[in-house]
Amino acid sequence: DTGVSQDPRHKITKRGQNVTFRCDPISEHNRLYWYRQTLGQGPEFLTYFQNEAQLEKSRLLSDRFSAERPKGSFSTLEIQRTEQGDSAMYLCASSRMGVSEKLFFGSGTQLSVL
Amino acid sequence: TQLLEQSPQFLSIQEGENLTVYCNSSSVFSSLQWYRQEPGEGPVLLVTVVTGGEVKKLKRLTFQFGDARKDSSLHITAAQPGDTGLYLCAGAHQAGTALIFGKGTTLSVSS
Repeated sequence: DTGVSQDPRHKITKRGQNVTFRCDPISEHNRLYWYRQTLGQGPEFLTYFQNEAQLEKSRLLSDRFSAERPKGSFSTLEIQRTEQGDSAMYLCASSRMGVSEKLFFGSGTQLSVL
Repeated sequence: TQLLEQSPQFLSIQEGENLTVYCNSSSVFSSLQWYRQEPGEGPVLLVTVVTGGEVKKLKRLTFQFGDARKDSSLHITAAQPGDTGLYLCAGAHQAGTALIFGKGTTLSVSS
């Protein structure tokens, strides 16, 4: 069990640029989640997948954000035309669907928009 | 909006003290979880509670799920500096729906 892997760990970009993050979940997990977290706050739900299907997306999520999980394995999160307010830690988590679902988180990608 | 309110937001105590962190909502949860997060890392699951009134113990940590499944508490006995971190509660209103997190309680334990 190699855990949830996220790449890159850190990303610095200029306002207006596009960025893409990757998440590799635990191999036997069929669910994958994306959360955003700012310093000292709890993770804010963005979206989640069951296999390759995107089942839920936060109503607060801007149209500049898009996520994919094309083969039900790894996932990518793209942010277009980044803004300074996008600066945050982007966390990926995976789980096996069940009554009391247990999320396993990656170490996150820290995004800084200058 | 489904909200989980955590209190207190910050807690700074001396080694050996006891503390309780609360997680409250106006909505019923099918399950509730507690996570601990250290700086620069993702949250790590501590416990899941499912049944109203359920109490679970993990060494010096005691977790309780309210009878109505709308609230939960985390009690730490004889806190140690290693307990320092951000404690998060998270709940799902229905099995299989996304977990919603509270804003967390930042705990600092000094020796």
